[in-house]
Amino acid sequence: QSALTQPPSASGSPGQSVTISCTGTSSDVGAYNYVSWYQQHPGKAPKLMIYEVIKRPSGVPDRFSGSKSGNTASLTVSGLQAEDEADYYCSSYAGSNNPVVFGGGTKLTVL
Amino acid sequence: QLQLQESGPGLVKPSETLSLTCTVSGGPISRTNYFWGWIRQPPGKGLEWIGSFAYSVSTYYNPSLKSRVTISVDTSKNQFSLKLTSVTAADTAVYYCARNYCSSSSCFPNFDYWGQGTLVTVSA
Repeated sequence: QSALTQPPSASGSPGQSVTISCTGTSSDVGAYNYVSWYQQHPGKAPKLMIYEVIKRPSGVPDRFSGSKSGNTASLTVSGLQAEDEADYYCSSYAGSNNPVVFGGGTKLTVL
Repeated sequence: QLQLQESGPGLVKPSETLSLTCTVSGGPISRTNYFWGWIRQPPGKGLEWIGSFAYSVSTYYNPSLKSRVTISVDTSKNQFSLKLTSVTAADTAVYYCARNYCSSSSCFPNFDYWGQGTLVTVSA
């Protein structure tokens, strides 16, 4: 069982926006502004899409945005494109005793 | 361009020790402003962080695996290694090595460079 809770699936049509949630606790997501999001295509390594809740690494399209409210972080993908179809994982800092926890992943389908 | 490459046996017997090496090219792992780590993914399942280290700074392990895990470093070869003892079928997974990007405020959980991953199967 993963430390962070994500919906198993999400979907949207091309051009639409989709939001994926990531729910933790007051010891991880709620305690720190250190939430990352990863995109993983089948058979590939994960790719960092968002870090520190809202920041995008160089090269990540601005269609990807992050936010947080309380113990829940969210990833929004705007203007959905076919290549956005992938698994998405959230991750949070959870303190020095267990610095990294992951969510169970959400499969995003572009209809 | 930084590159990471995992290597090691693809098959390990139950109760034995899983050993993997990550070879890094394009930058020294001895720089203390980066962490380097291991993450695994059982077939069809999600990601699990195993542990991370920064050279001569500190090493952190997942509490659920801590009793069985050791991460070590060989700066002369620009490599770091993972040892996981007393493996069972539950340790069957794709194992990734990755770099933790350190911003001005945090190194976790920002894994910005990943190896391609290597599948390790635990079976007799």
